Amino acid sequence: AAGVIQSPRHLIKEKRETATLKCYPIPRHDTVYWYQQGPGQDPQFLISFYEKMQSDKGSIPDRFSAQQFSDYHSELNMSSLELGDSALYFCASSLVSGGPYNEQFFGPGTRLTVL
Amino acid sequence: AQTVTQSQPEMSVQEAETVTLSCTYDTSENNYYLFWYKQPPSRQMILVIRQEAYKQQNATENRFSVNFQKAAKSFSLKISDSQLGDTAMYFCAFMEAQAGTALIFGKGTTLSVSS
Repeated sequence: AAGVIQSPRHLIKEKRETATLKCYPIPRHDTVYWYQQGPGQDPQFLISFYEKMQSDKGSIPDRFSAQQFSDYHSELNMSSLELGDSALYFCASSLVSGGPYNEQFFGPGTRLTVL
Repeated sequence: AQTVTQSQPEMSVQEAETVTLSCTYDTSENNYYLFWYKQPPSRQMILVIRQEAYKQQNATENRFSVNFQKAAKSFSLKISDSQLGDTAMYFCAFMEAQAGTALIFGKGTTLSVSS
């Protein structure tokens, strides 16, 4: 079965640079979520989109922005990168209208290292 | 705001034994979902088991079962017949029963299974 695809899997950037992370949800899934997991930390919710509209917002810095496109893929744009942005970034997708669980299926993550 | 607390940073167990991981949560919602996720060294987030708050019956998935105490806001995970492959970080997570809402994770419990 198709899973959530994230690209790139690894990314190395310098401070103050910009990064773009991409997420391709499971086909037919209508909702995408972004989470940030720092070293030794639990995943922290950043933002979510349902049918291309922002549906929920967490602790996302103003330097970050995200959107969901017409084909349902999503991009997380990160500017003015800081050392503290080094983390594993997960994308998850779900089919909100598909059942009682709204189970979120996680991608493999993008490991961002800021030097 | 909802919070999830895992009071055991680390646990260890021997193969074939049983271990219980604790989780408590705080919410004013009546309808919600609870999850246990496993994160092995590969860092992939894997759903282990889920529980709907409106169901009194405890969820089970093969060797994994939960003890859900809604009044006490407790949601523990029991792993029976532990296997070396169970070695991982385990996160307890809460989600409101609304479309597109975020998962709120506990800090995690590192479980080590030894032979």
